[in-house]
Amino acid sequence: DGGITQSPKYLFRKEGQNVTLSCEQNLNHDAMYWYRQDPGQGLRLIYYSQIVNDFQKGDIAEGYSVSREKKESFPLTVTSAQKNPTAFYLCASSSRTGGTDTQYFGPGTRLTVL
Amino acid sequence: AQSVTQLDSHVSVSEGTPVLLRCNYSSSYSPSLFWYVQHPNKGLQLLLKYTSAATLVKGINGFEAEFKKSETSFHLTKPSAHMSDAAEYFCVVSDWGGGYNKLIFGAGTRLAVHP
Repeated sequence: DGGITQSPKYLFRKEGQNVTLSCEQNLNHDAMYWYRQDPGQGLRLIYYSQIVNDFQKGDIAEGYSVSREKKESFPLTVTSAQKNPTAFYLCASSSRTGGTDTQYFGPGTRLTVL
Repeated sequence: AQSVTQLDSHVSVSEGTPVLLRCNYSSSYSPSLFWYVQHPNKGLQLLLKYTSAATLVKGINGFEAEFKKSETSFHLTKPSAHMSDAAEYFCVVSDWGGGYNKLIFGAGTRLAVHP
């Protein structure tokens, strides 16, 4: 089955820890994205990548880091510098970054800071 | 800059009655518009998208939306609600800012369906 997988589904972090969220896609898409979702709000873009070994900051990149070493994978690290990391994190991908290209979403990871 | 306003944060309907979820957008050019649905603790699923072809767009699960440029609206409708339609719905506009497909999300409309 083609699709996007995210792991883990639930993640708990102690204050001061870095954690890494996994995102994998087997859709052969060039572009991948990370979004953050807070209750009662739409999604906000953290980082995006249009191609392997390249990525760009989105609207709320502070306290986050990413890498894109493989086309299929786009992991997100939530660092201790992120002051309010408790949220639902969604990964997405699209075949290109054109305005009409559909972004397909993974099932999400819920991160809670203890 | 592009923006999206979903006019209702909550909509409640009875099963079998019509659904209307309202969305207005702001765009300096002909936009691409999307509706996504999100069930609790799940990812987003694409319902339909408008890309400057037919103004009436049909999507999955009996949903459709009509692009009205004069009203800058892209309302989502369904003739008859089903219990499984209860979810959060996001209206989204595509923004070409920075040369990539940046999606601008509305705040969402939570649809409740009662027996």
